[in-house]
Amino acid sequence: KAGVTQTPRYLIKTRGQQVTLSCSPISGHRSVSWYQQTPGQGLQFLFEYFSETQRNKGNFPGRFSGRQFSNSRSEMNVSTLELGDSALYLCASSLGGLAGGVLYNEQFFGPGTRLTVL
Amino acid sequence: AQSVTQLGSHVSVSEGALVLLRCNYSSSVPPYLFWYVQYPNQGLQLLLKYTSAATLVKGINGFEAEFKKSETSFHLTKPSAHMSDAAEYFCAVRGLTGGFKTIFGAGTRLFVKA
Repeated sequence: KAGVTQTPRYLIKTRGQQVTLSCSPISGHRSVSWYQQTPGQGLQFLFEYFSETQRNKGNFPGRFSGRQFSNSRSEMNVSTLELGDSALYLCASSLGGLAGGVLYNEQFFGPGTRLTVL
Repeated sequence: AQSVTQLGSHVSVSEGALVLLRCNYSSSVPPYLFWYVQYPNQGLQLLLKYTSAATLVKGINGFEAEFKKSETSFHLTKPSAHMSDAAEYFCAVRGLTGGFKTIFGAGTRLFVKA
């Protein structure tokens, strides 16, 4: 079974630009979560999508948005990039499902997209 | 609110020595707890998870963790460190009060000396 794939793996942008990152979950997984990882802030939750609906959201400004398609693939978009947005963006997929099962559903992480904002 | 505290941002052990990485959680309801490992330039890999079935959880690569409710701890151990264990380790919590998001600790970088 193929793992979680993220594209592109590396990205360089300049301040003010916008960027779109893509995540393809494991086949059959309906939940996709996004995380930002930086040396200073560690791993921070951005949002989670399940069956094309945002199910939970972290404490990030509205410049960060996402969506999920009917095939469970997900994209996240960052508009008006700032230097502080430079980070490793990780995507994780899981089965999702019923409320009780969601809590311990194992999350499988992709390799991440390294975004550098100049 | 849920939170996770990992004691020690860096831990150094000799090859063959015991590995002990500490994690304490805060949760008002029984949580689900996880340990992940991250190698350089890679995503996170699940080592083990606690889902209330058993307090001692065995994971991959010889790692195990014990859930202690009285101490709100979920420390990760491995009897004998190997050079390939050098990586960053993250403890994480997921529970009803946190919705469906996973809260990660700050991470502990493990160094293994020859």
